[in-house]
Amino acid sequence: NAGVTQTPKFQVLKTGQSMTLQCAQDMNHEYMSWYRQDPGMGLRLIHYSVGAGITDQGEVPNGYNVSRSTTEDFPLRLLSAAPSQTSVYFCASSSWGAGTDTQYFGPGTRLTVL
Amino acid sequence: DAKTTQPPSMDCAEGRAANLPCNHSTISGNEYVYWYRQIHSQGPQYIIHGLKNNETNEMASLIITEDRKSSTLILPHATLRDTAVYYCIAQANYGGSQGNLIFGKGTKLSVKP
Repeated sequence: NAGVTQTPKFQVLKTGQSMTLQCAQDMNHEYMSWYRQDPGMGLRLIHYSVGAGITDQGEVPNGYNVSRSTTEDFPLRLLSAAPSQTSVYFCASSSWGAGTDTQYFGPGTRLTVL
Repeated sequence: DAKTTQPPSMDCAEGRAANLPCNHSTISGNEYVYWYRQIHSQGPQYIIHGLKNNETNEMASLIITEDRKSSTLILPHATLRDTAVYYCIAQANYGGSQGNLIFGKGTKLSVKP
């Protein structure tokens, strides 16, 4: 299993540009989520999904959109990038209703918005 | 979810046990204690979790006090590769939206030769 994969690893955008961060998992997990991590801070939840076709907002959803058309993929879209969105983005997945609910994280996407 | 309190940083000598404390005095009966760690620039990694009994796996041991108001993560023989930020999280284990982890700032553990 590849686990949770994220692309790209690094990205530089100009203010106002849009882009999509990709996340995929091959563990057949129902639950997927996106976090951002700013320097010296813990992770903050952006959006999450409890299954295909179902998404909901986390703590810091503004400026981001998500969709979940398949179990495997959970892309994060930045509609109009702002310097405040410079951060490291992590995708995670876990089983729905599993006994442990252990979350598996991807390697992250490092985004810089100029 | 219960709030947890951890010291911002700790040092440990290589080969010695690292004992990382966590206070979760407002934890409720259905909330588990989870530990994750984040090695520099990587995604967080699950370590261990427990409800009220002490737990051990190949990575670490988790000691939870009888009143469940605090816990200690023990790395029995710390190595330089254990240098990381360790997060203690109290969370109800229901899955779905209850699967959202609330991360604090964690404890930065530095293992020194």
